[in-house]
Amino acid sequence: KQEVTQIPAALSVPEGENLVLNCSFTDSAIYNLQWFRQDPGKGLTSLLLIQSSQREQTSGRLNASLDKSSGRSTLYIAASQPGDSATYLCAVRDTGGFKTIFGAGTRLFVKA
Amino acid sequence: EPEVTQTPSHQVTQMGQEVILRCVPISNHLYFYWYRQILGQKVEFLVSFYNNEISEKSEIFDDQFSVERPDGSNFTLKIRSTKLEDSAMYFCATRGQGAGGQYFGPGTRLTVT
Repeated sequence: KQEVTQIPAALSVPEGENLVLNCSFTDSAIYNLQWFRQDPGKGLTSLLLIQSSQREQTSGRLNASLDKSSGRSTLYIAASQPGDSATYLCAVRDTGGFKTIFGAGTRLFVKA
Repeated sequence: EPEVTQTPSHQVTQMGQEVILRCVPISNHLYFYWYRQILGQKVEFLVSFYNNEISEKSEIFDDQFSVERPDGSNFTLKIRSTKLEDSAMYFCATRGQGAGGQYFGPGTRLTVT
């Protein structure tokens, strides 16, 4: 049974810092991995999607990497801003299935 | 940019009542999902729907739940007899053909009293 873990659970950084959020999954037979952002009481906004055959994806100040064999993904945020404050969720879609399993998220607070 | 929409944004119902949550998918998407998120907890997969049938469902998705596409556009989640523990945020998500990611709607907050 696939399990997804995100570390740290919460993170507070000063504005301008570069930071890394971690996601690990127990079963490496994944189809893809998606990073989302969730603002309080809101829906999920897709940030980056990495296919199982890819190693990384970039969008603006965000870079996500995937090491399928070790069951890990990282989300790198460069030059963090107060507007980046949100919960970041990692979600894994298993091979051959339709189910997507979410981690509990990392709650990020960027101080001005 | 196309988006997934959900109605209502907030539904309050009494225990034992039936509720229907509605989702309008992105127009060319073929795969549809429902998730729920109890306050302070993880987003949990409920069910996936493709080609007018359920393709996968979780242990949470018991006989009290059902899904359908009644008119080829809306995608609905029905809870037949709501319980207090059904109180949660319910998210609809849709996906196009192939290896694309899922797009989530803004959610419906269901409160069962």
